Amino acid sequence: DSGVTQTPKHLITATGQRVTLRCSPRSGDLSVYWYQQSLDQGLQFLIQYYNGEERAKGNILERFSAQQFPDLHSELNLSSLELGDSALYFCASSGRGAVDTIYFGEGSWLTVV
Amino acid sequence: GENVEQHPSTLSVQEGDSAVIKCTYSDSASNYFPWYKQELGKGPQLIIDIRSNVGEKKDQRIAVTLNKTAKHFSLHITETQPEDSAVYFCAASSQGGSEKLVFGKGTKLTVNP
Repeated sequence: DSGVTQTPKHLITATGQRVTLRCSPRSGDLSVYWYQQSLDQGLQFLIQYYNGEERAKGNILERFSAQQFPDLHSELNLSSLELGDSALYFCASSGRGAVDTIYFGEGSWLTVV
Repeated sequence: GENVEQHPSTLSVQEGDSAVIKCTYSDSASNYFPWYKQELGKGPQLIIDIRSNVGEKKDQRIAVTLNKTAKHFSLHITETQPEDSAVYFCAASSQGGSEKLVFGKGTKLTVNP
């Protein structure tokens, strides 16, 4: 158990809908990362937050957004969903510094039908 | 930006044999190279990492080597066991740690009893 908690574990929704994925980082970790894992693209970095502020942005679509709350939990919002958004979404967290190890949660499986 | 290539995509070995997975990276500024193991239904878990000021690092049956000149690094697993069967990912970052990690596409390792 990495200590990173993600909900829901599985989600099935229709095209055009909006979903929210939730992540609770390890106790004491200030950084939260979101990754998308698909068969053809592998693990793609989406976005990172550090202590409530956006720190780095990767290949995140404009239809997607994220935020980190004062209690350090984070949410990833996916809107106007398309079939191609079906993937495993991972949240990860790390401590205070860039050199800290990153710990992944078990992921949220999103299926868009 | 950084690009990480990983080979092979699949690897099958007999129990007790060694397994080697190779990665190349494109950004000469990359200085942190972790390896992750992902078991079915779980998130990636860090198994070993190496920084650019070190050429080799070993942890029991697992070792990683880094050739900065050639911009490649490798994971070596000796005396493989069936529980080593998983997908292995290499990654690279120019930030010295977990920030802006770019992952390879993964290697599915199967250890046959």
